[in-house]
Amino acid sequence: DAKTTQPPSMDCAEGRAANLPCNHSTISGNEYVYWYRQIHSQGPQYIIHGLKNNETNEMASLIITEDRKSSTLILPHATLRDTAVYYCIVRIKAAGNKLTFGGGTRVLVKP
Amino acid sequence: SAVISQKPSRDICQRGTSLTIQCQVDSQVTMMFWYRQQPGQSLTLIATANQGSEATYESGFVIDKFPISRPNLTFSTLTVSNMSPEDSSIYLCSAWDGWNTEAFFGQGTRLTVV
Repeated sequence: DAKTTQPPSMDCAEGRAANLPCNHSTISGNEYVYWYRQIHSQGPQYIIHGLKNNETNEMASLIITEDRKSSTLILPHATLRDTAVYYCIVRIKAAGNKLTFGGGTRVLVKP
Repeated sequence: SAVISQKPSRDICQRGTSLTIQCQVDSQVTMMFWYRQQPGQSLTLIATANQGSEATYESGFVIDKFPISRPNLTFSTLTVSNMSPEDSSIYLCSAWDGWNTEAFFGQGTRLTVV
């Protein structure tokens, strides 16, 4: 699986959009970009994934650049409950393919 | 979606002893995964557990230390053997949904070895 690079930490204001960047310059054509988050003392939680098109669900939006070498997770209206570590992972979508977690970005939402 | 239950949620164990962690999924899944999360660190995959065959271990993890059972498509156990304080971590179980789209995680077992 391709390696990802994320900033170690970032702060954002409650109610504002949080934009979390991820670099994956060695991503292969069949690798998807996945985002997970881990709220303190809980198991990781799936947020969203995409291949090359932008994706949106009830939690977030995922913007993938045209060359697929980077992506941005957008939390449109951050709340205090969004404080967590966010992991960007690239993975081939096939049975048995594991998730390899990097360091993630520790996001602190401030009032 | 799948629900994954882990037991115990936490334990404090004496060094030299072993602890078996149970993972129950509310639906049948092909593969289950065991992760370790050391204090302040990210998740590291220990092994992949397939039903009916031996688990596949990642580099740095061996079967004698972390034996895994997978008796059916909804259940797995991880044993942490001959524990030392360095084994103090959170151990997490995971499985993919039927469409291989979303991985679900248990809430983890917080192990402290004294």
